Amino acid sequence: KQEVTQIPAALSVPEGENLVLNCSFTDSAIYNLQWFRQDPGKGLTSLLLIQSSQREQTSGRLNASLDKSSGRSTLYIAASQPGDSATYLCAVSARFGAGTRLTVKP
Amino acid sequence: KAGVTQTPRYLIKTRGQQVTLSCSPISGHRSVSWYQQTPGQGLQFLFEYFSETQRNKGNFPGRFSGRQFSNSRSEMNVSTLELGDSALYLCASSLRTGEKGYTFGSGTRLTVV
Repeated sequence: KQEVTQIPAALSVPEGENLVLNCSFTDSAIYNLQWFRQDPGKGLTSLLLIQSSQREQTSGRLNASLDKSSGRSTLYIAASQPGDSATYLCAVSARFGAGTRLTVKP
Repeated sequence: KAGVTQTPRYLIKTRGQQVTLSCSPISGHRSVSWYQQTPGQGLQFLFEYFSETQRNKGNFPGRFSGRQFSNSRSEMNVSTLELGDSALYLCASSLRTGEKGYTFGSGTRLTVV
């Protein structure tokens, strides 16, 4: 059974900082890994999808990497903005981590 | 291209009642997954359907059930509602079992009183 862990649980940074969110999973036999963003009381918005054959994906200020052998993924956010404040969730084989609650202070 | 549609958006039910939630996936998607989200437990996987068959199931009691129709639309049913069933229920669709990732609906907020 796939177990997904996200560290840290919460993160508060000043605007403009670069930051890294971590996701680890126990079963390396995966189709893909997907990062989502969730604003309070809302649904999930897909940020990046990394297929199992890929090492990373980039979209604007976001970059996600995947290392299947070690069971890890990182989401890198460059030049953070207050609008980035949200909970970030990692999904592997339909299983989710508990998320990282990010607060970017102006 | 229409997204994932969940109805209703909000629902208030009394303990002991039953409820049915609906999810229409993106056109062409044949897999539908259901999740329960609560502040204390986070996103918990309920079950996944593909081609009208349940493919995966999470650790929820038998009061939680679902089905998928030939047009890929899915329904989730909760019987004998308990206060602890109050949650945001999210539905996600994918081409087939996670292929090309998941797209989520806005959810149904269920309150049990």
